Amino acid sequence: EPEVTQTPSHQVTQMGQEVILRCVPISNHLYFYWYRQILGQKVEFLVSFYNNEISEKSEIFDDQFSVERPDGSNFTLKIRSTKLEDSAMYFCASKPEIAGGTGELFFGEGSRLTVL
Amino acid sequence: GENVGLHLPTLSVQEGDNSIINCAYSNSASDYFIWYKQESGKGPQFIIDIRSNMDKRQGQRVTVLLNKTVKHLSLQIAATQPGDSAVYFCAITGGFKTIFGAGTRLFVKA
Repeated sequence: EPEVTQTPSHQVTQMGQEVILRCVPISNHLYFYWYRQILGQKVEFLVSFYNNEISEKSEIFDDQFSVERPDGSNFTLKIRSTKLEDSAMYFCASKPEIAGGTGELFFGEGSRLTVL
Repeated sequence: GENVGLHLPTLSVQEGDNSIINCAYSNSASDYFIWYKQESGKGPQFIIDIRSNMDKRQGQRVTVLLNKTVKHLSLQIAATQPGDSAVYFCAITGGFKTIFGAGTRLFVKA
């Protein structure tokens, strides 16, 4: 069964360092998302991406964050200068379509980011 | 803005009993109302959704009820099993984003 894959599963970094989290969405999906989840808290929307551009972003997604789809398969989240409060689980998700589809997002297993 | 909340942070049920998890929302301009299940160390997993023009939808052992008058969503799990133990999130979708609620942790007692 197709699935969203994320790498790395866990990354430890020093405050101020740049981090890139990688995702391979399901191949025929058109909409891509990043969410984060601080330990024990709810899943927070960061950004949605469609047709090679950002569709919507939250207040969390400030200038330190960027997303890219560098080729036909990868979808990356970059944090330019990490802060302690960026420590969280980051989830990538994808969806095949909106019109005629369901509301279902397909999530990866997540990348745990620890900022020291 | 969107606001999605849960009535209870935890719910404990006996195996075999029915579970009801509730959710309140504030944004009426939503297309889909969705329930996700999250097991420890994993990503959210879709359970069932309901479109905004419906008030009830049934799946396998699960039923979602939507009351737009009072902006309330519920998930009913029939004959709860140990494998149902997880955190359950309600979520609302509008436009290009899905907003999650705070989550209810379901404990199933054997």
